[in-house]
Amino acid sequence: TQLLEQSPQFLSIQEGENLTVYCNSSSVFSSLQWYRQEPGEGPVLLVTVVTGGEVKKLKRLTFQFGDARKDSSLHITAAQPGDTGLYLCAGVAQGGSEKLVFGKGTKLTVNP
Amino acid sequence: EAQVTQNPRYLITVTGKKLTVTCSQNMNHEYMSWYRQDPGLGLRQIYYSMNVEVTDKGDVPEGYKVSRKEKRNFPLILESPSPNQTSLYFCASSLLPIGYGEQFFGPGTRLTVL
Repeated sequence: TQLLEQSPQFLSIQEGENLTVYCNSSSVFSSLQWYRQEPGEGPVLLVTVVTGGEVKKLKRLTFQFGDARKDSSLHITAAQPGDTGLYLCAGVAQGGSEKLVFGKGTKLTVNP
Repeated sequence: EAQVTQNPRYLITVTGKKLTVTCSQNMNHEYMSWYRQDPGLGLRQIYYSMNVEVTDKGDVPEGYKVSRKEKRNFPLILESPSPNQTSLYFCASSLLPIGYGEQFFGPGTRLTVL
């Protein structure tokens, strides 16, 4: 099983601070997705990246896929309390068909 | 409204009593998947389906069965549930291949096996 290591596991910051969440693997991934999950609900897709070096922006969120397609990062600028949630990375390993592997998640708390 | 529905939402059962968790989507999606979510282990894929009558194992298929007789339905069957299958289960569907497009997740089924 290809693993996706996410860090940090927990992150508690003040409103207005910046933060970065990392997702790393020793395997090459054909695609990498980031999800956000609220308590008691299913995950909701934020972004999909498929090209090495790709950068995508979604308002204050910036997603990057590593050149070698083994790692990804999520950067949030000027975090707000509404950003609080569980952030999950997930990917399809190269040659892995439809098997989607998830990282264990980063629980983010943004305090007012 | 486009959605994925799961039933039941909560279930407490006993070891060995066969159960089925239903999943239905109204978006005409070809791809469907089942996941379980456990504290400290995250989300893990159980089974997935690429179309009617086409299913394959995910990372943790042991103790589970699935079927895809119709495009909209993808039930998860536990023939003989055990306590280690106590978990939060999510069904999801997508138009594009899993991992490349948006997966729509159901609301989850919290299963407790005593």
